[in-house]
Amino acid sequence: DTEVTQTPKHLVMGMTNKKSLKCEQHMGHRAMYWYKQKAKKPPELMFVYSYEKLSINESVPSRFSPECPNSSLLNLHLHALQPEDSALYLCASSQDEWRGNQPQHFGDGTRLSIL
Amino acid sequence: GQQLNQSPQSMFIQEGEDVSMNCTSSSIFNTWLWYKQDPGEGPVLLIALYKAGELTSNGRLTAQFGITRKDSFLNISASIPSDVGIYFCAGQTLIQGAQKLVFGQGTRLTINP
Repeated sequence: DTEVTQTPKHLVMGMTNKKSLKCEQHMGHRAMYWYKQKAKKPPELMFVYSYEKLSINESVPSRFSPECPNSSLLNLHLHALQPEDSALYLCASSQDEWRGNQPQHFGDGTRLSIL
Repeated sequence: GQQLNQSPQSMFIQEGEDVSMNCTSSSIFNTWLWYKQDPGEGPVLLIALYKAGELTSNGRLTAQFGITRKDSFLNISASIPSDVGIYFCAGQTLIQGAQKLVFGQGTRLTINP
């Protein structure tokens, strides 16, 4: 069982809908990440939060809006998505950089389908 | 940008055989990670390597961090059916207060019983 929990597991939405993906971890990690993964491809980094502040935005379209309400939670708000946004969205977390190079731990993802 | 070359892209082996896969990079990484991903699940960390030349084992898995810090390999001995999946190497660097991963393209392992 993963220690990073993502909900929902599956999501189908229309292009005009607004929905949110949620991620939670209780390992005391202070860095959290959103990735997008297309079929048969490696995960691609979207956003990084460090100590609840947005640290990296990999030029992600504004229809994806991340939020980190506290050190355990990470949300990804979705609005006006396109069919090409259909993918597996993965959340990950890791210890902060002051503890040295620590590996990222992934959740099982949300499978998103845009109609 | 940084890229990792992972090979082979796919492997078809018999149960009980040993497996070897590797990653090379034009850039230096401080950490090399190996993940396995099963269908419908997220990547699961198998082995983390932190020092150049480091050789680390996790059960039937053995991985090494290349001495130049630009490559790594993963070996699986005596493969079993549950080893089926996609294996990703990843190089990790510290950037802007967080750890950034660069993934290889993955090695898809299929085992014939």
